[in-house]
Amino acid sequence: AQSVTQLDSHVSVSEGTPVLLRCNYSSSYSPSLFWYVQHPNKGLQLLLKYTSAATLVKGINGFEAEFKKSETSFHLTKPSAHMSDAAEYFCVVSDRTSYDKVIFGPGTSLSVIP
Amino acid sequence: GAVVSQHPSWVICKSGTSVKIECRSLDFQATTMFWYRQFPKQSLMLMATSNEGSKATYEQGVEKDKFLINHASLTLSTLTVTSAHPEDSSFYICSARRRPGLGGADTQYFGPGTRLTVL
Repeated sequence: AQSVTQLDSHVSVSEGTPVLLRCNYSSSYSPSLFWYVQHPNKGLQLLLKYTSAATLVKGINGFEAEFKKSETSFHLTKPSAHMSDAAEYFCVVSDRTSYDKVIFGPGTSLSVIP
Repeated sequence: GAVVSQHPSWVICKSGTSVKIECRSLDFQATTMFWYRQFPKQSLMLMATSNEGSKATYEQGVEKDKFLINHASLTLSTLTVTSAHPEDSSFYICSARRRPGLGGADTQYFGPGTRLTVL
C-alpha cells in the first residue's frame, strides 16, 4: 500500500528566507515521487519529479527535492522564497510499476510574508 | 510540451441539467486520462481513470451513471455530470499521461480545472 504524509498543513515564511516543505511516503514498491504546485483556482503544475536517477532533483523556479530512501522522505526546498511562491503544494507518490496508482498528499499551504 | 486544456473553465447551471467538461492534451497523445474532484482547501480526489477506447474505471463511491466519462480519442476525454445538483458543485480537474514507452509516461500533466456551480 502507498501513502503520503505532508507534515505541515500550513507553512509561513518571510520573503527571501528558505522554504522547507516536508513529505514522507510509504510504498510497497519502488516509488516515483512528484511535487506539484497549485495557485488559487488553477490546475496543478509539475515542479519536479524523482523516478530512479539522481536522488537530488532540481525543478522549476529554484525548487529542489532530495529523495532519501532511508528516511522515506522527499522534502521540497528553495533557498529564497518569493512572493509568487505563495500557493498550495502537493507531494505525490506513484507506483513505478503502474503509474495509474497515484496517491496525493493532503497538501501544504505556503504563505510568503513581505 | 505536455499541455492539457479544459473547457469550460467555469460553468453555472441549474439543478437537474447536465454539464459536459472537456479535457484535451494539446501536444501529446494521452492513452490515459484521469478525472479528479477538489473541494475547497482539500487535496484532489480521484474520481475515475479512463483509457482511450475502453470504459472508465471509477473509484469506490463515485457513481458512474452520474459522472459519465468518455475517452473517444488519444487527445480528448469528456466528463458529463448528469442531472446536476448543488452538492455536485466543485472544482473538477483532469490530467493526462503519455503513451507508455515514451518519455514522461510516468507523469500526469494537469489541466487548469473547471469550476462547476449548480444553482
